[in-house]
Amino acid sequence: GQQVMQIPQYQHVQEGEDFTTYCNSSTTLSNIQWYKQRPGGHPVFLIQLVKSGEVKKQKRLTFQFGEAKKNSSLHITATQTTDVGTYFCLRDGGSQGNLIFGKGTKLSVKP
Amino acid sequence: NAGVTQTPKFQVLKTGQSMTLQCAQDMNHNSMYWYRQDPGMGLRLIYYSASEGTTDKGEVPNGYNVSRLNKREFSLRLESAAPSQTSVYFCASSGGSPSLAKQFFGPGTRLTVL
Repeated sequence: GQQVMQIPQYQHVQEGEDFTTYCNSSTTLSNIQWYKQRPGGHPVFLIQLVKSGEVKKQKRLTFQFGEAKKNSSLHITATQTTDVGTYFCLRDGGSQGNLIFGKGTKLSVKP
Repeated sequence: NAGVTQTPKFQVLKTGQSMTLQCAQDMNHNSMYWYRQDPGMGLRLIYYSASEGTTDKGEVPNGYNVSRLNKREFSLRLESAAPSQTSVYFCASSGGSPSLAKQFFGPGTRLTVL
């Protein structure tokens, strides 16, 4: 199937450390989206990447789309306690409705 | 604007009971979705509706039915609930093509089937 592998499943960091989560696909992606879900909350859209090699930044968050459009990463610089939550990638399988979420990376930040 | 609203917020059912989860959006979006979220499984698409009057199966449709009542409303029905359907259910909507548009999620319904 057109799954997407997201790693790591969990990440525990000290406040101020960096954090990275990765999404990898065996097939080429047309685009990829990233979402954040706070504990007890609902997913909230962060970014969409469409172009090969694309890099987008939102304050301390940097999103990358691989040259081959088979992988993507989300990097947080100098984590804060407000970054706590689970980060998901969402891929489009190319056909209508074939939307597949990664299983998420749960980030905890120790003050 | 309320965005995406879902009712109820919590529900406990006995095996074999039926219920309908309601979802409404006020953003004039064409596409609406139903997901379930289980621990360690991420979000899995149950059904989606690309436009009023159309519905299609997602990754895990078995045991569910949906109705796109109008452009605003998209309901999910469990005809005979099973413990395996214990989950958190999220409704979402998007303004463009399902493959390209960002999704706006509702607050979720936490369902327990005993």
